[in-house]
Amino acid sequence: DAGITQSPRHKVTETGTPVTLRCHQTENHRYMYWYRQDPGHGLRLIHYSYGVKDTDKGEVSDGYSVSRSKTEDFLLTLESATSSQTSVYFCAISESTVLAGPYEQYFGPGTRLTVT
Amino acid sequence: AQKITQTQPGMFVQEKEAVTLDCTYDTSDQSYGLFWYKQPSSGEMIFLIYQGSYDEQNATEGRYSLNFQKARKSANLVISASQLGDSAMYFCAMIGANFNKFYFGSGTKLNVKP
Repeated sequence: DAGITQSPRHKVTETGTPVTLRCHQTENHRYMYWYRQDPGHGLRLIHYSYGVKDTDKGEVSDGYSVSRSKTEDFLLTLESATSSQTSVYFCAISESTVLAGPYEQYFGPGTRLTVT
Repeated sequence: AQKITQTQPGMFVQEKEAVTLDCTYDTSDQSYGLFWYKQPSSGEMIFLIYQGSYDEQNATEGRYSLNFQKARKSANLVISASQLGDSAMYFCAMIGANFNKFYFGSGTKLNVKP
């Protein structure tokens, strides 16, 4: 299994509080991703990173920010959590691009976040 | 815009039979990749199979094969000889060449009956 951990695994927080989720990898992969998974929506990309300090937005980035100061860590921050951000959050990593295929993306175990 | 469509919210299959899970995609990229993932009830995401848009042969991984029809923009997953452990959610996904962004379908819940 790819070495990807997420912390915390579960969190309950109140509306309006800041929350930071951490993704840590031991694979030295270049690309890292944050997704959220909600019923009926599958997985939706929040942000991704293509290198240290290089990040870009996904399709549901509003209300989220990210940072990547080291290859192994990718942080997702909810500046002021809202109930609509209650979800399961997955981190993922990959090494190459489709032009260099074959290609795989590995997922962390997920973080279940509840905003009350 | 890129989009993945999985039209089967749920499916049943008898143990030991083959099953096809449908996936269609929409992209303007010339180079892209297509994936299938399995998510059991325990919640983890498991990579199953990958197909590059320029691959001429359909990808296979053990009991999994990807039926890639580029002109129809479909990438169906075929599971042969279904097992009880195959009961799970299955997600089709796509990535474009230039942006490294993944797009996922809404999933198909497969139930394998004994």
